[in-house]
Amino acid sequence: GENVEQHPSTLSVQEGDSAVIKCTYSDSASNYFPWYKQELGKRPQLIIDIRSNVGEKKDQRIAVTLNKTAKHFSLHITETQPEDSAVYFCAARNSGTYKYIFGTGTRLKVLA
Amino acid sequence: NAGVTQTPKFQVLKTGQSMTLQCAQDMNHEYMSWYRQDPGMGLRLIHYSVGAGITDQGEVPNGYNVSRSTTEDFPLRLLSAAPSQTSVYFCASSVRVGGQETQYFGPGTRLLVL
Repeated sequence: GENVEQHPSTLSVQEGDSAVIKCTYSDSASNYFPWYKQELGKRPQLIIDIRSNVGEKKDQRIAVTLNKTAKHFSLHITETQPEDSAVYFCAARNSGTYKYIFGTGTRLKVLA
Repeated sequence: NAGVTQTPKFQVLKTGQSMTLQCAQDMNHEYMSWYRQDPGMGLRLIHYSVGAGITDQGEVPNGYNVSRSTTEDFPLRLLSAAPSQTSVYFCASSVRVGGQETQYFGPGTRLLVL
């Protein structure tokens, strides 16, 4: 069945450094790839997304890249801050249905 | 707008009991979904709906039923609760406008089955 692999499961960086989280999807019909941030005890919230007709998208300190051929997409956070500490989830959405498949999450810790 | 609301926030059930988790949205979104979140396993899709009267199964549908009689409401029914259904349940809704899509999550329901 469809699945999304996400790595690493935990990531610790020093404040000001960059963080990269990678996902690989299996469903060739996926065409929409959102990233969510979830703080402890809170609901997931969309932080950035990318569609299959775009290779890169940037929003201030966060960016997402997509390699359709390799079925890889990545989240890049630059100049990390303590408030970036959270669990980040990637997801892939099938173009023909409404099914979102999520990765297993990355716990990011930004050390001050 | 209240966004996506879920009730109850927390529930304890005994094995074999049934219950309904409520989800409502006031944004006139077509798409609604139910997920469960377990430690280390991310969010797994239980059931989803692309509009009133239309539902379909996700990754982990066994033991759960849904219906979508109105655009606003999407209740999730546990027919006979089992300890394996202990989890945090999130409802979500979304709409696509002009090629843009945002999925909004409710605050979650924490369920403990004893």
